[in-house]
This record gives sequence, structure tokens and C-alpha cells, in this order.
Amino acid sequence: QKEVEQDPGPLSVPEGAIVSLNCTYSNSAFQYFMWYRQYSRKGPELLMYTYSSGNKEDGRFTAQVDKSSKYISLFIRDSQPSDSATYLCAMSTNAGNNRKLIWGLGTSLAVNP
Amino acid sequence: EPEVTQTPSHQVTQMGQEVILRCVPISNHLYFYWYRQILGQKVEFLVSFYNNEISEKSEIFDDQFSVERPDGSNFTLKIRSTKLEDSAMYFCASTPGGSGNQPQHFGDGTRLSIL
Repeated sequence: QKEVEQDPGPLSVPEGAIVSLNCTYSNSAFQYFMWYRQYSRKGPELLMYTYSSGNKEDGRFTAQVDKSSKYISLFIRDSQPSDSATYLCAMSTNAGNNRKLIWGLGTSLAVNP
Repeated sequence: EPEVTQTPSHQVTQMGQEVILRCVPISNHLYFYWYRQILGQKVEFLVSFYNNEISEKSEIFDDQFSVERPDGSNFTLKIRSTKLEDSAMYFCASTPGGSGNQPQHFGDGTRLSIL
């Protein structure tokens, strides 16, 4: 079983839609969960960062972690064309500050005006 | 906002040649990382570096790879004898020191093309 699984899409939505992105994972030792956004020919840009289970909201973005189901989600409200990018989930164990990230494949999102 | 800077943005090298990829991490950060992303594949961890030594490395990071922080600001990745399969985007990341967990901040990467 792969450590982190993420549907690559592509996902195409109209402007203003609510977008739901998700990842599943197999390693129960993962404690830190991140969502990065990556535009074409750019590096990953941190969007959301969550420790353990629960929800975190930042503007139009909400991250959810369900450790019992080994499932994380990112919701984007009122999606904009500028949200068109690849969204990568990443996670790591609680192993001090040298924490390698394990990544999903990324979901390609297109928000159509 | 401070950022991680990587140079060059694109490097084309003949197979068998040595290549050095350069990174300037965020100035007050103490932990440094290299990742790579082969086209169409996941981002993969290569190595982490702290206090002038490797903290952890992956199976990919074999004897052909080395890292160095030569002057207190740059962080380099060297590939001694490049192979075709080394063609990928290489990303540098850094985090601050101190207690607690800190997210990694990434540069825009170097696209390495091996001919």
C-alpha cells in the first residue's frame, strides 16, 4: 500500500464553487499534515499546516484531518481562477525538527471563469 | 517575505558530468532539505542537513550525491556523475530552528536536464 495517495485529477470547477481535495495515508505515525499549492514551473507554496486531528481555517481555505480514518482534506470556498494550480498534500512523523515530508502525487485544479 | 532562492533555474548537462545545484535558504533558518520531482511523479525526499552534517538521507541519495554548506549562506547539492534518470526538478527547502514543529519553505527549484 502506498504511503500517501492522492487523486491526480484533473479537477475542473466553475468560479465560485466549493472545491474539496483529499489524501489518504497508511502510516499511523504521521502527525503533521500540510497542503502546498504549486503553480507551473514554481516550487511548492505552503497553504495550510495542521498538527494531529481537527480543523484549521484560513480565509477561504479549510484543512481537516481525521486520523482515525487516515484521511485529510482541503476545502476551498468561493474558488477563483487564480486558484488554478496543483495541490499537494504532504505529511511527516513527529521526529524532532528534521522531518522529511512524504508527498501525495498532487491534484490538478482548474477554476473556470 | 523572506524566500528560498535557487540557482540556476535550468541546468542542462551531459551524462557523466558533475553538476552543482545552489540554494540560499531563508537567513535565520537552520535546517535544510533537498527534494526532487521527476516529471509526473511525486516529490521525493533526498536529504536533510543540520549543524553542518546530514541528519537523514533517502535511498536515492547514494554516493553520487553530496551536500555542503560552504559559506554559511549557500547550501549546495552536488551530483558527481550524472545519469539520465537524474533529470528532474530539484527543490531546496528550509525551516527555522527552535522547539516545536515548523513547516518547510521551498524555493522554485532547478530543472535539471541530463542529455
